[in-house]
Amino acid sequence: SQQGEEDPQALSIQEGENATMNCSYKTSINNLQWYRQNSGRGLVHLILIRSNEREKHSGRLRVTLDTSKKSSSLLITASRAADTASYFCATVPNSGNTPLVFGKGTRLSVIA
Amino acid sequence: KAGVTQTPRYLIKTRGQQVTLSCSPISGHRSVSWYQQTPGQGLQFLFEYFSETQRNKGNFPGRFSGRQFSNSRSEMNVSTLELGDSALYLCASSLTGAGEKLFFGSGTQLSVL
Repeated sequence: SQQGEEDPQALSIQEGENATMNCSYKTSINNLQWYRQNSGRGLVHLILIRSNEREKHSGRLRVTLDTSKKSSSLLITASRAADTASYFCATVPNSGNTPLVFGKGTRLSVIA
Repeated sequence: KAGVTQTPRYLIKTRGQQVTLSCSPISGHRSVSWYQQTPGQGLQFLFEYFSETQRNKGNFPGRFSGRQFSNSRSEMNVSTLELGDSALYLCASSLTGAGEKLFFGSGTQLSVL
């Protein structure tokens, strides 16, 4: 079953604009991760944020985590056509040694 | 360092057949997880192996099974294939599992006719 739910399901923007994707989850977590998937390929890890962190940056990526609202957001600044992909959040529940649980993803299209 | 390798890349089978998919993790990674991805259900966790032992199992029928060898390579098997088993099967590895980031292979696209 899905733990994380991304919003929106699809997003279309112009090159150079910023893209924001949101993720909500249900149970307490150890950490939350974001992944990218190009069409029909494997997922690529982007960033991991732990439950005691509020914000993290990696290049053009900025991730925030609000554990009180059980939500996270991924911001991609100055988007490029190459950023076109599906983006997934994945949570690691606090309940012992449990696997990553993925949301259904946000499909981002960046138009040149 | 070589990434996660999955073979074959594509498979076409008919209902009732069985299939075996293979995954070679990144050297030194001892945890291998399998996920099924479909447009309707998204990414669903199948199972995780660590040091040749199944450590976690998702909510899939017994037709889905797996194993891990002493060199950490893993296989998953699906018996008595059904149309609904058509999916992208993804393998991911990590050093120890336990909530670490995962390194994914390119997947095996299985079509059941």
